[in-house]
Amino acid sequence: GENVEQHPSTLSVQEGDSAVIKCTYSDSASNYFPWYKQELGKGPQLIIDIRSNVGEKKDQRIAVTLNKTAKHFSLHITETQPEDSAVYFCAARYLGGTYKYIFGTGTRLKVLA
Amino acid sequence: GAGVSQSPRYKVAKRGQDVALRCDPISGHVSLFWYQQALGQGPEFLTYFQNEAQLDKSGLPSDRFFAERPEGSVSTLKIQRTQQEDSAVYLCASSLGGPYNEQFFGPGTRLTVL
Repeated sequence: GENVEQHPSTLSVQEGDSAVIKCTYSDSASNYFPWYKQELGKGPQLIIDIRSNVGEKKDQRIAVTLNKTAKHFSLHITETQPEDSAVYFCAARYLGGTYKYIFGTGTRLKVLA
Repeated sequence: GAGVSQSPRYKVAKRGQDVALRCDPISGHVSLFWYQQALGQGPEFLTYFQNEAQLDKSGLPSDRFFAERPEGSVSTLKIQRTQQEDSAVYLCASSLGGPYNEQFFGPGTRLTVL
């Protein structure tokens, strides 16, 4: 069935370093891949997204890369700051007659000051 | 009201009780999603509305779960005869256009079934 695997589950980095989170999806027809940041007690917030006709997208300190052949995509955060600490989720829009989004299991990022 | 609001924020129910969870999407947003988020997990899709039409309910786990959006704005997720495994945070998200548009999530309703 449809599945999105996300690694690592936890990640600690020093302030100013980079953080990379990786996801692999199973549905080769998926064509839209958003990333969300979720802080404690709040709903997820979209931070960046990428569509399948693009290999890379960047927005200030955040970038996402997509490899459709390998069916994986990654989130890159540079110059991390303490306020980047949160849980990050990747997701893939599942095609197959539904409007379903499949989420990864999340990565808890801690940025150490 | 700038964002998606959900009520109640917390709900404790005894096993077997019925509950109703409310979502107020951003005004004018066409699309509305419901998700279930278990502790330490990612959100799991439940159902999708486009205006008042429920176009996808493939994620509803059983016939005890029912969602409606009768006037294309406010939505209610109802769970009948709650079970302990229904304990989770229920998230609502809305987007301006179709399902490819950015989803804005509410803060969720934490349901605890005793």
